[in-house]
Amino acid sequence: EDQVTQSPEALRLQEGESSSLNCSYTVSGLRGLFWYRQDPGKGPEFLFTLYSAGEEKEKERLKATLTKKESFLHITAPKPEDSATYLCAVQGRAGAQKLVFGQGTRLTINP
Amino acid sequence: ETGVTQTPRHLVMGMTNKKSLKCEQHLGHNAMYWYKQSAKKPLELMFVYNFKEQTENNSVPSRFSPECPNSSHLFLHLHTLQPEDSALYLCASSQESDRGREKLFFGSGTQLSVL
Repeated sequence: EDQVTQSPEALRLQEGESSSLNCSYTVSGLRGLFWYRQDPGKGPEFLFTLYSAGEEKEKERLKATLTKKESFLHITAPKPEDSATYLCAVQGRAGAQKLVFGQGTRLTINP
Repeated sequence: ETGVTQTPRHLVMGMTNKKSLKCEQHLGHNAMYWYKQSAKKPLELMFVYNFKEQTENNSVPSRFSPECPNSSHLFLHLHTLQPEDSALYLCASSQESDRGREKLFFGSGTQLSVL
C-alpha cells in the first residue's frame, strides 16, 4: 500500500531562516509526487509535480527535490506570507492511480 | 472567477437533517473528486467521477451520496450524519490523460459541523 509520511508535523522559523520540509514515501512505481500549499480555511493550492529521482523545481523561495525514497521542500529566506500547511502526495502506477496524501507540515514564519 | 467553486462555505446540521454540498468547476476538466479533511489526518479520498461516471468509492458510508449530473457539477448529498462526520469537505477537479491523473485543483471547501 502506498504511504506518505511528512516531517516535522510543525515548524516555526524566524523570517529569513532557511529550512527544509521532508516527505518520505513508499509507492508501487512512482507516477508523480505533488506538493501543495494550504492556507487556513482554504483548499490546497498546487505548487509542484516531480516525476523522477533527481528532478528539481523552483518557485520563488521554494525548491522541491526528489529521490527514490523522499522529497524535500526547501524554503530559502522565508517571509511571514509563506506561513501555511504544506502537503505532499504521491501517485503510483498501480491500481486506480489514487493520490495518497501525507498529514502535512504546518509552517509558521515569525516576523 | 475561481476554478473550483464550492457552496456553502459553512454548514451546521443536526443528525436527522438532509443537506447537499455543491461543487462547480470552470476548468474544462474531465474528473471530479470529493475529499474529507479531518483535523491532523491526511486528506481522505471519498469519491471520483470521470466523465460523469463514478470510478471510485473508497468504502464511504451510505449516508454520503454523490451525484454528478455533468462534467462540471458535483454534489454530495448528506443524510443522518454522525458527529464524527464533522470535517472540511473538499471538491477537486483534474484532467485525466494517458499520464494518469494530472494535478488537482481544489475548491475552498465546506466546513461541516454535525450536532
